[in-house]
Amino acid sequence: QKEVEQDPGPLSVPEGAIVSLNCTYSNSAFQYFMWYRQYSRKGPELLMYTYSSGNKEDGRFTAQVDKSSKYISLFIRDSQPSDSATYLCAMSLTGNNRKLIWGLGTSLAVNP
Amino acid sequence: GAGVSQSPSNKVTEKGKDVELRCDPISGHTALYWYRQRLGQGLEFLIYFQGNSAPDKSGLPSDRFSAERTGESVSTLTIQRTQQEDSAVYLCASSLGRNPLAEQFFGPGTRLTVL
Repeated sequence: QKEVEQDPGPLSVPEGAIVSLNCTYSNSAFQYFMWYRQYSRKGPELLMYTYSSGNKEDGRFTAQVDKSSKYISLFIRDSQPSDSATYLCAMSLTGNNRKLIWGLGTSLAVNP
Repeated sequence: GAGVSQSPSNKVTEKGKDVELRCDPISGHTALYWYRQRLGQGLEFLIYFQGNSAPDKSGLPSDRFSAERTGESVSTLTIQRTQQEDSAVYLCASSLGRNPLAEQFFGPGTRLTVL
């Protein structure tokens, strides 16, 4: 079993839909949770960062962490074609980029 | 301002050859990371440079892999005697300051194919 599991998709939704992207993990000690967006032929870019449990909102994006279920989610409201990308989750025990465990990424297509 | 740049964008080589990949970080960023992104696998940390400190090489998969950085500027990742399993996208990232969780800014990557 991988430490971080992420459904690779692809996920295809119509413009304006609410998108839910998820990762599950096995190590209950993870404390730092991140979501990155990666466009085709580009490097990942940080979207959201959450420490420990709870929700965090930034514009159309909401990140949720449920430590009891070892499950994290990224919600995108009013999805746009420009949101079409691969979304990667990453997490670690300590606050150290070098120790991040990355998911495989979920490919999202938002259709106009 | 300019982001992280990497060259070449694509590299095709034959098994057994050496390759050199280049990364130009954002000016002023003291931290520089190299990662590997293989098909069907998550990003793998390779090596980390922070200013003039000794690099963290803990992620290098074998002694065929090495990297250098001159001061706080350009870095090169060298893979000697390439193998087919080295085929991947090699990503470079830089960040500001010594915070180990500071936001990383990634380059577009070099796509390496070993035939």
